[in-house]
Amino acid sequence: KQEVTQIPAALSVPEGENLVLNCSFTDSAIYNLQWFRQDPGKGLTSLLLIQSSQREQTSGRLNASLDKSSGRSTLYIAASQPGDSATYLCAGSQGGSEKLVFGKGTKLTVNP
Amino acid sequence: NAGVMQNPRHLVRRRGQEARLRCSPVKGHSHVYWYRQLPEEGLKFMVYLQKENIIDESGMPKERFSAEFPKEGPSILRIQQVVRGDSAAYFCASSPRRQSINEQFFGPGTRLTVL
Repeated sequence: KQEVTQIPAALSVPEGENLVLNCSFTDSAIYNLQWFRQDPGKGLTSLLLIQSSQREQTSGRLNASLDKSSGRSTLYIAASQPGDSATYLCAGSQGGSEKLVFGKGTKLTVNP
Repeated sequence: NAGVMQNPRHLVRRRGQEARLRCSPVKGHSHVYWYRQLPEEGLKFMVYLQKENIIDESGMPKERFSAEFPKEGPSILRIQQVVRGDSAAYFCASSPRRQSINEQFFGPGTRLTVL
């Protein structure tokens, strides 16, 4: 049974700092790993999808990596801005199963 | 290009009433997923549907909950005889299931409050 853990649960940084959010999963047979952003009271916005054959994906100031052997993924945010403040969720799917298993998220606050 | 649409956005029901949550997937997407987010909890998978078929309902409570995705119209998540513990945010996602990629796109959610 796949379990996803995100550390830390909350993170507060000053504007401009580079930061890393961590995600670990128990079953290395992960198929896709997806990072989302959730603003308070809102839905989820897909940020990056890493397929099982890939090691990383980049979009603008965001870079996500996937290391299946160690059961870890990281989301790197460069030059953080107050608008980046949100909860970041990672979720993995396994081959043969369509469902996403979510971590509880990291709540990020970027202070001006 | 409209994304996933859910309605209502907020729903208040009294204990024992029925709740019907609707989800219209991204145009062209034929795969729909429902997830539930309880207060202070992560999102949990409930059910995966394709048009007219339930593919995986392993996350659905055994009683009172049902889901459908008819040939025409939105997907419906139905909760009968709601209880306070059903209060949560219910999210719908859709995907095109193009080749091996299964990127899921989420709607804004329906926040159900049971009084």
